[in-house]
Amino acid sequence: AQSVTQLGSHVSVSEGALVLLRCNYSSSVPPYLFWYVQYPNQGLQLLLKYTSAATLVKGINGFEAEFKKSETSFHLTKPSAHMSDAAEYFCAVRKAAGNKLTFGGGTRVLVKP
Amino acid sequence: GAVVSQHPSWVICKSGTSVKIECRSLDFQATTMFWYRQFPKQSLMLMATSNEGSKATYEQGVEKDKFLINHASLTLSTLTVTSAHPEDSSFYICSARGPGSSGPGSYNEQFFGPGTRLTVL
Repeated sequence: AQSVTQLGSHVSVSEGALVLLRCNYSSSVPPYLFWYVQYPNQGLQLLLKYTSAATLVKGINGFEAEFKKSETSFHLTKPSAHMSDAAEYFCAVRKAAGNKLTFGGGTRVLVKP
Repeated sequence: GAVVSQHPSWVICKSGTSVKIECRSLDFQATTMFWYRQFPKQSLMLMATSNEGSKATYEQGVEKDKFLINHASLTLSTLTVTSAHPEDSSFYICSARGPGSSGPGSYNEQFFGPGTRLTVL
């Protein structure tokens, strides 16, 4: 079985400050890992994904994440928050050869001016 | 590329009626589609996985007779909530995945629709 834990259901950052969203996973086999963003009343948009290539993954909108196998983590960062980054962020895991995505509980980001 | 649409975007219905939600892959062939529900301020919970031309596989605890899923073509899957009740009110999101290993609709990624908000009165 696989699972995802996102530490912190809410994160508040000042505009221009570092955004750090934590994600830890458990998986019995090598995983694929994803970060999605969801704006109110919308579906999910893929920010980035790790599929066993480079451990540092760069995504859209200035986000990046680093896969650390020893820590079973896939934390999402952005050096400088923008007001438009206010949204809900979901980390998800999938077996490399599997079918299902398992989502974390989500982290809501609030950006203060 | 890899656009998934849902229709309707929102629907309000009376208790006891049935509601059909459509999920379409607009520019790729979706061999697999997934249906999720999301309660307010919660994460997405997978309801079922459907492969084109075969019966859907439901997650544990999801009533297959209540949530009817049809995936009759490579671009369309439907979710019908039968005899809807207020507790079925939720945000329903579909996603689709294609057969290829790269490019639009690739096997390695699910593409999500914009969601359908169902309110049952």
